[in-house]
Amino acid sequence: GEDVEQSLFLSVREGDSSVINCTYTDSSSTYLYWYKQEPGAGLQLLTYIFSNMDMKQDQRLTVLLNKKDKHLSLRIADTQTGDSAIYFCAEMASGTYKYIFGTGTRLKVLA
Amino acid sequence: SQTIHQWPATLVQPVGSPLSLECTVEGTSNPNLYWYRQAAGRGLQLLFYSVGIGQISSEVPQNLSASRPQDRQFILSSKKLLLSDSGFYLCACGTGGVNEKLFFGSGTQLSVL
Repeated sequence: GEDVEQSLFLSVREGDSSVINCTYTDSSSTYLYWYKQEPGAGLQLLTYIFSNMDMKQDQRLTVLLNKKDKHLSLRIADTQTGDSAIYFCAEMASGTYKYIFGTGTRLKVLA
Repeated sequence: SQTIHQWPATLVQPVGSPLSLECTVEGTSNPNLYWYRQAAGRGLQLLFYSVGIGQISSEVPQNLSASRPQDRQFILSSKKLLLSDSGFYLCACGTGGVNEKLFFGSGTQLSVL
């Protein structure tokens, strides 16, 4: 089946690192994505990783991909209150243009 | 880069009334277009996607329908809304090609009372 799973909540202190985890099912997905959703808004593409990569770094964001375990993670360094939001991972089902999203992880940053 | 226009931002409709949500895209041609629904506190459910004019794929059985009358216009409709149709509806545009990425509109919060 097509399931992308994430933990629902994460709470961290300002300045700490946040790690949001995701497991996906389609091992042939070409790209995997991370999106951020602030309250009442659409989803903003944060970063993505090509399936032949293990890691991608983009400023405070680091994406790690473990294809063997079908595990994707997003690390946010020096987490700020403005990072409080819901974070979704997503994969594109192979052979289609269907994006499958996880349930979202609500990140709360404590001052 | 593409811009996705989605309206209205909020909508309150009585049960049994019709629905029409419109999404238009600028800055790209022949995009893949999507309608997602997000129930309160939950993830995104893919409702419809379209890879071209008149080509609609439906993902879940429901009383909603979608149409794509023009290349960059995607419409979500219902003849009679149900309470369970309440949610946050998001239109999205895929850039297509090898480096496919998905971009979202600002969403419509629909409340069916």
